[in-house]
Amino acid sequence: GQQLNQSPQSMFIQEGEDVSMNCTSSSIFNTWLWYKQDPGEGPVLLIALYKAGELTSNGRLTAQFGITRKDSFLNISASIPSDVGIYFCAGPIYFSSGSARQLTFGSGTQLTVLP
Amino acid sequence: EPEVTQTPSHQVTQMGQEVILRCVPISNHLYFYWYRQILGQKVEFLVSFYNNEISEKSEIFDDQFSVERPDGSNFTLKIRSTKLEDSAMYFCASSSGVLSYEQYFGPGTRLTVT
Repeated sequence: GQQLNQSPQSMFIQEGEDVSMNCTSSSIFNTWLWYKQDPGEGPVLLIALYKAGELTSNGRLTAQFGITRKDSFLNISASIPSDVGIYFCAGPIYFSSGSARQLTFGSGTQLTVLP
Repeated sequence: EPEVTQTPSHQVTQMGQEVILRCVPISNHLYFYWYRQILGQKVEFLVSFYNNEISEKSEIFDDQFSVERPDGSNFTLKIRSTKLEDSAMYFCASSSGVLSYEQYFGPGTRLTVT
């Protein structure tokens, strides 16, 4: 199936540090999305990637679509306390009907930023 | 900025009871979704809805589940006879259709089945 594996599972970093996390799949994805979820809230879309090799930034966040189409990376520079949360990668599920609007999510990376 | 809203934020129900979770998607969006997240686990797709009918559904979305768009703004998820294992956060999402992979999620309804 189209499973997404995220690593690391959790990270503890000092405020001001940069952080990197990744997402891999055994199958090819044509789109990669990164979401952030705060406790008790819904996922918030951070970045969408549509082309292999693409590098896209959103403020201090930068995400890359891997050339093999089987991985993606998210980097956060100069972390701040409000970066705390769970970061999920996601990609479209392809059904036998050919429709591909549904998302499958990775298991998430829990980020803790220490003061 | 337009956002997806959901009510209630928390619903407690007894096993076997029916629950209806409500969502108001972003107004100009055409595709609507329900996802589920069991505590501590990842977000799982349940069902997608377009043009007043179900587009796709996952194995989780069995005969106990149904969705409806009763009017031009609301999108509902009904669970006919709740089970303990239905306890989870339920998220509604919507997308415009043009960039349909960019789905915007609501804050969720926490369903607790006792």
